[in-house]
Amino acid sequence: GENVEQHPSTLSVQEGDSAVIKCTYSDSASNYFPWYKQELGKRPQLIIDIRSNVGEKKDQRIAVTLNKTAKHFSLHITETQPEDSAVYFCAAKGTRNKAAGNKLTFGGGTRVLVKP
Amino acid sequence: EPEVTQTPSHQVTQMGQEVILRCVPISNHLYFYWYRQILGQKVEFLVSFYNNEISEKSEIFDDQFSVERPDGSNFTLKIRSTKLEDSAMYFCASRDMSYEQYFGPGTRLTVT
Repeated sequence: GENVEQHPSTLSVQEGDSAVIKCTYSDSASNYFPWYKQELGKRPQLIIDIRSNVGEKKDQRIAVTLNKTAKHFSLHITETQPEDSAVYFCAAKGTRNKAAGNKLTFGGGTRVLVKP
Repeated sequence: EPEVTQTPSHQVTQMGQEVILRCVPISNHLYFYWYRQILGQKVEFLVSFYNNEISEKSEIFDDQFSVERPDGSNFTLKIRSTKLEDSAMYFCASRDMSYEQYFGPGTRLTVT
């Protein structure tokens, strides 16, 4: 099955600096890669996603890049603010079994702390 | 904006007891999921449900687990005989024909 690895597990940045989180996946058939932000005790919130036919996607201060050949994708947050502090999860969705429900396989999470 | 809702927010139960966790997915969504997250760990897939049947389940989803969509709005997860290791946050998620899965606020299950 799919395996998603995420690094780093913790990331501390100064307000205004950039943060980069990297994920690798194992299933070359995976075609959808969302990123979720989870604040303490809250639900995972979808913040950006990318599909395998696209190499990069940007939404204001966040961007995601995908390298299908290398099977890795990254989240970039620019001009970080204290409210960006949270745990970020990457995930991957496979396509092998079209009858299946297209589950998400999550990475281990990155705890981001933005210091004022 | 429509959201997935879950009840209860926190459930405390004794080992061996049955629990039912409830979810109301977003109304026009067709695919439903349960995930769990043990404290401090990653989110893990349990089961997906489509067209009134399970479409995929993980190794975690053993015979002690079941899901049901008893009416047009609710989606439930039942654990027949809870174990200490079932203590976790359980998230329901749903999606329409697109890929985006939207998560509920979760039910924190504590088994004592």
